[in-house]
Amino acid sequence: SQTIHQWPATLVQPVGSPLSLECTVEGTSNPNLYWYRQAAGRGLQLLFYSVGIGQISSEVPQNLSASRPQDRQFILSSKKLLLSDSGFYLCAWTPGGKREKLFFGSGTQLSVL
Amino acid sequence: TQLLEQSPQFLSIQEGENLTVYCNSSSVFSSLQWYRQEPGEGPVLLVTVVTGGEVKKLKRLTFQFGDARKDSSLHITAAQPGDTGLYLCAGDRLIGKLIFGQGTELSVKP
Repeated sequence: SQTIHQWPATLVQPVGSPLSLECTVEGTSNPNLYWYRQAAGRGLQLLFYSVGIGQISSEVPQNLSASRPQDRQFILSSKKLLLSDSGFYLCAWTPGGKREKLFFGSGTQLSVL
Repeated sequence: TQLLEQSPQFLSIQEGENLTVYCNSSSVFSSLQWYRQEPGEGPVLLVTVVTGGEVKKLKRLTFQFGDARKDSSLHITAAQPGDTGLYLCAGDRLIGKLIFGQGTELSVKP
């Protein structure tokens, strides 16, 4: 069976510090991978998606970047965090090439102070 | 621009009451999904509706897709405290790129 792992669950970082959130998927190959941000338990905003290794599409201009160094690994990064980067970050995947439901990770609650 | 408008944003009811959550858009979607999310967790898919006018039932939950595939509703009958959570609708306009509504926070009090 497929599983998605996202870590850490909670992170408190000072303004101006770097960020690295990691997400890995097991039990499938060539998944589509996504990073979403959710503010205060509201709707999800798509930040990045990837259909393959090294292929990243950005949905909104921002202080964050994403990378996919391996087929089932998706990383969200920032060189210098801003207060506005605080939020609940969710990684998700779908089977490659198929329009099916999103499988979400358990999320990372990021607080930038 | 928010393509999917969900209403109400907050709903607090007593156990046993019925409720309806709406998801509206001016855009046509090829499919629409409903998710439920608990605090500190990722959303979990409840249902996908694909055909205009489609109605799907999941125990006490009834989901309907509008005839024009621009809107959807979620109706819960005899709500229970276990139904408490954030309900999100999401429309599919491009493969894999779901557009999410702002969510409806439901609280069912015993």
